Amino acid sequence: AQSVTQPDIHITVSEGASLELRCNYSYGATPYLFWYVQSPGQGLQLLLKYFSGDTLVQGIKGFEAEFKRSQSSFNLRKPSVHWSDAAEYFCAAPAPYGQNFVFGPGTRLSVLP
Amino acid sequence: DGGITQSPKYLFRKEGQNVTLSCEQNLNHDAMYWYRQDPGQGLRLIYYSQIVNDFQKGDIAEGYSVSREKKESFPLTVTSAQKNPTAFYLCASSNQKGRSNQPQHFGDGTRLSIL
Repeated sequence: AQSVTQPDIHITVSEGASLELRCNYSYGATPYLFWYVQSPGQGLQLLLKYFSGDTLVQGIKGFEAEFKRSQSSFNLRKPSVHWSDAAEYFCAAPAPYGQNFVFGPGTRLSVLP
Repeated sequence: DGGITQSPKYLFRKEGQNVTLSCEQNLNHDAMYWYRQDPGQGLRLIYYSQIVNDFQKGDIAEGYSVSREKKESFPLTVTSAQKNPTAFYLCASSNQKGRSNQPQHFGDGTRLSIL
């Protein structure tokens, strides 16, 4: 079945450290891919999206993601994490026939001072 | 500013009672969605609608109902048949029209609890 997975349930990093959140997809063709962030008690906010072309995508809040076809991955990165980045992060892709979206289970990020 | 408005932010339901969660968008989006979010389970799709007067069941539609009488509104009713309704409910919209490259925009959610 086509799916989006996020192997890490919870990650803790120190403020100022670099961050990489993993996302893997299982689709036959190259899908459109998205990363969202959710602060506690809030809705989801779009960080960035990949459609085609350049495999390194820049987003808001200093985040970037790299699409790697050979690894079926779309990992989210940030060179220096801020305390305000503590949140839950979701990777997503359109469902196979484009009628809705498939979300990964999410990765909760904690940031140590 | 355009966006999605969910109300109320907090809602309490008595046993055996139906409750309706409101979702309104002024983004002129065709597609709207309802998700349920439980701790550690990510988002699960309840219902979605691609066009006015049409909607489809998602993965966990049992115990829920929706209507789409207007493009900007997609209310969700949690019926008494839903035995475990305590959750965080998120409404989203997208400008899909068959194009799957359009992201979803989310409201700020409604937290439903049982009294």
